[in-house]
Amino acid sequence: GAGVSQTPSNKVTEKGKYVELRCDPISGHTALYWYRQSLGQGPEFLIYFQGTGAADDSGLPNDRFFAVRPEGSVSTLKIQRTERGDSAVYLCASSLNHRAATQYFGPGTRLLVL
Amino acid sequence: DQQVKQNSPSLSVQEGRISILNCDYTNSMFDYFLWYKKYPAEGPTFLISISSIKDKNEDGRFTVFLNKSAKHLSLHIVPSQPGDSAVYFCAARGGAGSYQLTFGKGTKLSVIP
Repeated sequence: GAGVSQTPSNKVTEKGKYVELRCDPISGHTALYWYRQSLGQGPEFLIYFQGTGAADDSGLPNDRFFAVRPEGSVSTLKIQRTERGDSAVYLCASSLNHRAATQYFGPGTRLLVL
Repeated sequence: DQQVKQNSPSLSVQEGRISILNCDYTNSMFDYFLWYKKYPAEGPTFLISISSIKDKNEDGRFTVFLNKSAKHLSLHIVPSQPGDSAVYFCAARGGAGSYQLTFGKGTKLSVIP
């Protein structure tokens, strides 16, 4: 079946601009996670949704970052007033539910802020 | 403070031999440990996991060992194949109501034909 999909695969933007990154989880998965991976590092947790609500947003670095999942399926990560330090690969993952340990990752969106 | 550490940035192994990738952790609340494999320009792919109440889990060529007293786990790949060449990440789930994964920095495995 279809895995986690993310769009766009690449995004180049200018400092100060607003960007939206989309994640479509595996069908039927109720838990959705966003991570960010910088060069030479492992993925770092940003936010987790169970259904429509953000159950844990403790990883969001500041209030320029926001994520929504209005219908409990597709999620959008929104970054306002982008900075060069936001450049990274943004990964989305989903799991069957919050109790399932295995998270399945999408291919990521490579964000470059010039 | 890194809670999950992979101290070897890289490892080279001859085809057919055993690859052993190591991971150390500090948080005793972690309840699951997972290994992911990552090729360039792709997302991490799940390989194998182990619950904190187990000490071994095996799936084909892949075996994960957990030593809770030492806060150490390892992934064994036998026999190693050139297609196994990738970056391997160790990850741990938070436990105690936390469902996020905490990752190590990864180990780049090169399997030489």
